[in-house]
Amino acid sequence: KAGVTQTPRYLIKTRGQQVTLSCSPISGHRSVSWYQQTPGQGLQFLFEYFSETQRNKGNFPGRFSGRQFSNSRSEMNVSTLELGDSALYLCASSSNNSPLHFGNGTRLTVT
Amino acid sequence: TQLLEQSPQFLSIQEGENLTVYCNSSSVFSSLQWYRQEPGEGPVLLVTVVTGGEVKKLKRLTFQFGDARKDSSLHITAAQPGDTGLYLCAGPWPYGGSQGNLIFGKGTKLSVKP
Repeated sequence: KAGVTQTPRYLIKTRGQQVTLSCSPISGHRSVSWYQQTPGQGLQFLFEYFSETQRNKGNFPGRFSGRQFSNSRSEMNVSTLELGDSALYLCASSSNNSPLHFGNGTRLTVT
Repeated sequence: TQLLEQSPQFLSIQEGENLTVYCNSSSVFSSLQWYRQEPGEGPVLLVTVVTGGEVKKLKRLTFQFGDARKDSSLHITAAQPGDTGLYLCAGPWPYGGSQGNLIFGKGTKLSVKP
């Protein structure tokens, strides 16, 4: 069974630009969650999607948004990038409220 | 203030030594999970503890959930270089919430030298 796949693995963007990250969950998993990981703050919850609906949202500004498609694949978007958005963005999927399976993340660097 | 406080933040030990990592909170959790993360990879679930006072063993790793469900510990016996990594505790928040919405401690970075 393939794991959670995140693309791209690495991304370099300039301040003010926007970025879209993609996540393909494990087959059959309908819940997808996104997390931001930084050395200073650790792992912080961004949002969770289930059956194309946002179920929970973390304490991040409106520049961070996401969506989920009918095949459970998910994307997150960050607009007007700031230097502080540099981080590892992790996607995780789960089934029936079971524990999360994480992908290997997208490393975003904002210059 | 972190809802889940992990200690120590860093730990460097020799192969064969024992160690304990702590995860503490002033709040009650419905369950706590422990993950291990290696550089360049996502966290991998080690265990979930659900019942207060519960002890779970995974080979040389022993996990305990506090009686009041506010804290947990991870004990590693005879550590090996392969145990090196970032150990994270996490729990669903708010209480009883979705498993997809986890709050994490900042982690304990363990280095085991041969």
